[in-house]
Amino acid sequence: DAGVTQSPTHLIKTRGQQVTLRCSPKSGHDTVSWYQQALGQGPQFIFQYYEEEERQRGNFPDRFSGHQFPNYSSELNVNALLLGDSALYLCASSLALAVSYEQYFGPGTRLTVT
Amino acid sequence: GQSLEQPSEVTAVEGAIVQINCTYQTSGFYGLSWYQQHDGGAPTFLSYNALDGLEETGRFSSFLSRSDSYGYLLLQELQMKDSASYFCARGYGQNFVFGPGTRLSVLP
Repeated sequence: DAGVTQSPTHLIKTRGQQVTLRCSPKSGHDTVSWYQQALGQGPQFIFQYYEEEERQRGNFPDRFSGHQFPNYSSELNVNALLLGDSALYLCASSLALAVSYEQYFGPGTRLTVT
Repeated sequence: GQSLEQPSEVTAVEGAIVQINCTYQTSGFYGLSWYQQHDGGAPTFLSYNALDGLEETGRFSSFLSRSDSYGYLLLQELQMKDSASYFCARGYGQNFVFGPGTRLSVLP
């Protein structure tokens, strides 16, 4: 049973560029959430996708957008990269009807913006 | 308000018991979760409290008091491998607001 997978593992981009990160949820999960984690801080919620729609969004600008595909996998896109976007980007999957709200996190994508 | 507060660092010795506290603001509360994250790793789920009281899972227990907007994670029989960051996360809608994390160092 595969857990949450993310690609790529590491990425280096230049200011102003655009980036796409990918996530495949744990088998059987239908909901994908994206988080940004700066060094030494807790994960910050970006948005969540369920049934191919953005269900909830955190306090992030429109430069951050996403998509969920029919197979439940998801992409996070960030446009016009800023130095402050350098962080670990975590994808978490869950089951919408689960009682415990348990989320399974992927290993993350380390994005460095220079 | 959605913020949570945790101590930034806690140090304890192997075999000891340590308690990591978490206080939160109350709007839209959906329960309190705890996650463990080792350096360079992904957060892993430890426990979830929807109701007041103690939840026990092996060496780890988590407590919630909704009237006090307070919870804690209790780690017993500490092992070196427990050295990690621990985050409380408050349910908000279908997602979580994470606290800043508590770095636990277990000394031999």
